[in-house]
Amino acid sequence: GNSVTQMEGPVTLSEEAFLTINCTYTATGYPSLFWYVQYPGEGLQLLLKATKADDKGSNKGFEATYRKETTSFHLEKGSVQVSDSAVYFCALSDSGAGSYQLTFGKGTKLSVIP
Amino acid sequence: EAQVTQNPRYLITVTGKKLTVTCSQNMNHEYMSWYRQDPGLGLRQIYYSMNVEVTDKGDVPEGYKVSRKEKRNFPLILESPSPNQTSLYFCASSFMAPGQGRGDEQFFGPGTRLTVL
Repeated sequence: GNSVTQMEGPVTLSEEAFLTINCTYTATGYPSLFWYVQYPGEGLQLLLKATKADDKGSNKGFEATYRKETTSFHLEKGSVQVSDSAVYFCALSDSGAGSYQLTFGKGTKLSVIP
Repeated sequence: EAQVTQNPRYLITVTGKKLTVTCSQNMNHEYMSWYRQDPGLGLRQIYYSMNVEVTDKGDVPEGYKVSRKEKRNFPLILESPSPNQTSLYFCASSFMAPGQGRGDEQFFGPGTRLTVL
C-alpha cells in the first residue's frame, strides 16, 4: 500500500533560519505529491503540490521538488518567519492504485521564535 | 466565499448518545471525505463519497456512518459514541477524487473537536 514518512517534530527555529522538512513516500502507481499546512485552530490548506517527477511546487517562499529516484518531496524555505509556525503535512494521491484518498504523513510541528 | 463548513466546532458528549456532525460545501464538488486527526497518527480517512448516494469506507470506518443525499452535504453520524472516538474531525471536498485527477486540491473544513466522556 501507499505510505508517507516525514520527519518527526517538533522543530523549533529562529526567525530567518533555513527550514527543511523531509518527506519520503511509497506508492504503487503514479502519485501526485502535496504539502498541506495547518495553522493553529484551523483546517488544513494546500501549500504546494507537484504532479510528476522533477516538478517543483512553490508558494509563499516554500519549495519542494518531486524526486522519483529517491521517492522524496522535501519541503524547504530559505528564511522562516514567526507566521510560518504551523503543522506541515506531506501527502500523496495515487492514480494507479484505485485508492480514492489522500495518504498523509503524521505531520511536523514547526515553531519559529523571534 | 468558497468554503467547507462544519458544525458544531466543539462538542462534549457522553458514551452512547447519538450525534451528528454536519458538513457542507458551496463549491459544487463531487467528492467529499471525512478524516480524524489524532496525536502521533496524523489524518486517517473515515469515509468518502464520490457523488450523491455513493459512499465508501476509508481506513477507520468502525463506529461511524455517513450519508450523501445532496451534493453539498455529507454528515458524519456516530450512533453510539465511545471514548475512543474522542478526536479532531475534518471534512474535505474536491472536484475530483484523489487519484482520479492529477493533483486536485482538497478543501478542508475548520474541524470539529469531539470529546466523548
